[in-house]
Amino acid sequence: EVQLVQSGAVVKKPGESLKISCETSGYIFTTYWIAWVRQTPAKGLEWIGIFYPGDSDTRYNPSFQGQVTLSADKSTSTAYLQWNSLRASDSAKYYCARHGAVGDHWGQGTPVTVSS
Amino acid sequence: SYELTQPSSVSVSPGQTARITCSGDIFGKNFARWFRQKPGQAPVMLIYRDSERPSGIPERFSGSSSGTTVTLTISGAQAEDEGDYYCYFATDKNWLFGGGTRLTVL
Repeated sequence: EVQLVQSGAVVKKPGESLKISCETSGYIFTTYWIAWVRQTPAKGLEWIGIFYPGDSDTRYNPSFQGQVTLSADKSTSTAYLQWNSLRASDSAKYYCARHGAVGDHWGQGTPVTVSS
Repeated sequence: SYELTQPSSVSVSPGQTARITCSGDIFGKNFARWFRQKPGQAPVMLIYRDSERPSGIPERFSGSSSGTTVTLTISGAQAEDEGDYYCYFATDKNWLFGGGTRLTVL
């Protein structure tokens, strides 16, 4: 069974760094893209970018380019989304999803709150 | 830039058929996907390639496409089908989401 389990809710201050995770199981990690999506009440669902663990090919939504970094650890089948300097506007729920030609499997989401 | 437009809400009586539409120029040449989201749960994919169902998704969920409008149909809606439904476009280069439709079964 394909599973994507994301790290828990986080509260951070503006300017702090953060790395959230998406631990996968039930399939060959290096053969599927992992996408990241942001959800907020104001803007709805937004695609952040996508990462291919097989060769580290990474594609970003231009709106998020330079603001976040996607990565993965093949040894633990875990994908990551990280920020070097958080802003209050980064407060949202973040989802990872395994992307495939015959559908996507989603993680449960990680709530991130950025507040002073 | 492309946009996907869904009705904000749809209501249906138990056992009746609910239809949720999604319009967008991007679907003129590309396939649509649908997922359902319930509070506190991971989104669940319902339809890909306009009308294909992943394994484990009940047959009462079906999808169709006509021009630039795609439709998710829930035949014989059940109380457990309540939730937020999203259409979206997804490739390894770009994803785009509709605004979501809140389905109420009452």
